[in-house]
Amino acid sequence: AQSVTQLGSHVSVSEGALVLLRCNYSSSVPPYLFWYVQYPNQGLQLLLKYTSAATLVKGINGFEAEFKKSETSFHLTKPSAHMSDAAEYFCAVSQGFQKLVFGTGTRLLVSP
Amino acid sequence: DAGVIQSPRHEVTEMGQEVTLRCKPISGHNSLFWYRQTMMRGLELLIYFNNNVPIDDSGMPEDRFSAKMPNASFSTLKIQPSEPRDSAVYFCASSFRGGSDEQYFGPGTRLTVT
Repeated sequence: AQSVTQLGSHVSVSEGALVLLRCNYSSSVPPYLFWYVQYPNQGLQLLLKYTSAATLVKGINGFEAEFKKSETSFHLTKPSAHMSDAAEYFCAVSQGFQKLVFGTGTRLLVSP
Repeated sequence: DAGVIQSPRHEVTEMGQEVTLRCKPISGHNSLFWYRQTMMRGLELLIYFNNNVPIDDSGMPEDRFSAKMPNASFSTLKIQPSEPRDSAVYFCASSFRGGSDEQYFGPGTRLTVT
């Protein structure tokens, strides 16, 4: 069965610093991979999605993620953090048309 | 499009009462998902429908939970009887075609059972 592991339940960065949120996946077939963001008191919204078209995926709000098959990773990065990036981020994996399996989430804290 | 609509946004009820949560998916979407989010257990998929048919309900906690999708534009999640451990935020999401497509989440229903 497919699964994702997010390393670190909390990540703290300073405004302007690099953001790196880690996600490793397990899947027996080429996966669809997703990053979602959840702002306080809101539902999740899609940041970006990998579907094998390109290993480097660009998303909204300046985020991007790189699919590395050899490392079974799909880490999320942003060159320069902004205060508005403070939120919880979820990595998710899907196989074909099946359901999404979400990671446990990483809360990003951004300090001035 | 108004997005996924959920009602009510907040629900406070007493243990033993019946609770019904409602969801209107985005028009044209064929898949609908119900999730539960708690601090302890994170985000859990309860059930999902494809073309109004339940495909996987393995996440439904127990017989007290039931979900229906009588048509493409409406779904309900019912808890009867409710218990304090059911307190959580319940999200509905829809997608064009299953898990490989982007899921659009509603704002959630915050349920408190006292």
